[in-house]
Amino acid sequence: QVQLQESGPGLVKPSQTLSLTCTVSGGSISSGSHCWSWIRQPAGKGLEWIGRICTSGGTNYSPSLESRVTISLDTSKSQFSLKLSSVTAADTAVYFCARMNYGSGSSDYWGQGTLVTVSS
Amino acid sequence: DIQMTQSPSSLSASTGDRVTITCRASQSISSFLNWYQQRPGKAPKILIYAASSLQSGVPSRFSGSGSGTDFTLTISDLQPEDSATYYCQQTYRTPTFGQGTKLEIK
Repeated sequence: QVQLQESGPGLVKPSQTLSLTCTVSGGSISSGSHCWSWIRQPAGKGLEWIGRICTSGGTNYSPSLESRVTISLDTSKSQFSLKLSSVTAADTAVYFCARMNYGSGSSDYWGQGTLVTVSS
Repeated sequence: DIQMTQSPSSLSASTGDRVTITCRASQSISSFLNWYQQRPGKAPKILIYAASSLQSGVPSRFSGSGSGTDFTLTISDLQPEDSATYYCQQTYRTPTFGQGTKLEIK
């Protein structure tokens, strides 16, 4: 059973960089059939797709966040990471990592989510 | 960006009822449409992928249809555990989600 677990600071100061890591277990992060993604959800609001990285190293980001986002992959640690720079209070949200199926793009395995608050 | 519009935003139904949620894309997305269920405090769960394919382990009460710009999620024989928010997602281009439909079971 594939499992994903987010980790990282729960509090980030405005203008700083938010950094999160997702650790994958129970399956290979190097599978050519999957990509790895980040999604966020502000409290009481809907889901916002942030971006993804595939095992080829190719990335794809939401146009609204592209200038501030970097997603990277460390296959040796079975992890992928999110960096979001120049954060503001609007970036406060629960951040989820998820596995994307290459064909349909659907996300079949998700982490439990981690709350990141941007505040001084 | 491809905009996804769900309707209704919320609905209430009784156990045993059948409900339909619609999702409209701002341009054609072929069948690159997925449906998720999210219960409070939990991660989303995939129900339907590629517009009409039932995810393994999901009850057959859930079904999806549509192609192009108009899609539907139908839940038959509603159960109390179906109380949740449902999201559509397009993956034809850079993925985007609908705004969600909150389903209450009376």
